[in-house]
Amino acid sequence: GAGVSQSPSNKVTEKGKDVELRCDPISGHTALYWYRQRLGQGLEFLIYFQGNSAPDKSGLPSDRFSAERTGESVSTLTIQRTQQEDSAVYLCASSLGTDRTYEQYFGPGTRLTVT
Amino acid sequence: GQQVMQIPQYQHVQEGEDFTTYCNSSTTLSNIQWYKQRPGGHPVFLIQLVKSGEVKKQKRLTFQFGEAKKNSSLHITATQTTDVGTYFCAGRTGTASKLTFGTGTRLQVTL
Repeated sequence: GAGVSQSPSNKVTEKGKDVELRCDPISGHTALYWYRQRLGQGLEFLIYFQGNSAPDKSGLPSDRFSAERTGESVSTLTIQRTQQEDSAVYLCASSLGTDRTYEQYFGPGTRLTVT
Repeated sequence: GQQVMQIPQYQHVQEGEDFTTYCNSSTTLSNIQWYKQRPGGHPVFLIQLVKSGEVKKQKRLTFQFGEAKKNSSLHITATQTTDVGTYFCAGRTGTASKLTFGTGTRLQVTL
């Protein structure tokens, strides 16, 4: 079984453009999380999905950020009208569920650079 | 909101020295997990602690969960260069599904 995959691995975009980041979770994992990690900083929670429940969007920093997930499969994180402060590594993680005992498996991340 | 702080932010040790990072939460945690992130890599799960006062060991690593379930520590005995990376604690409150990650401690080990 493959791990969590993310694409692209690197993305350079101009300020003001929209970007879409993709995450493929481990098969069978019902929970999916997105985090942002600025250079040398910790992990900032953005959003999580659990099955067909309404996603927890409490970490999204602005309405320029949105995410979707189809069932228990791929998820996309969209950033509209990118700003330079959006430059960071965006990490996706999946877990078997959201039970407190489940560990999270992280993907390699997408490094976003906004010029 | 919940805050999870770690100290120190950074520590540089010589190989063979011991290392400890401390994790402190502003609220009581239902469980705590520890992750390691190598330079340029992604976080990798190390361990989970659930019970008050719990202590777990993995070879040279010792993890402890405080009695009040508001703090935790990771101790590495006789560090090796392979221990280099950033160590994050991450906790949940109650039945919350969201993990709040600590600020991280970056460990540098030199020969």
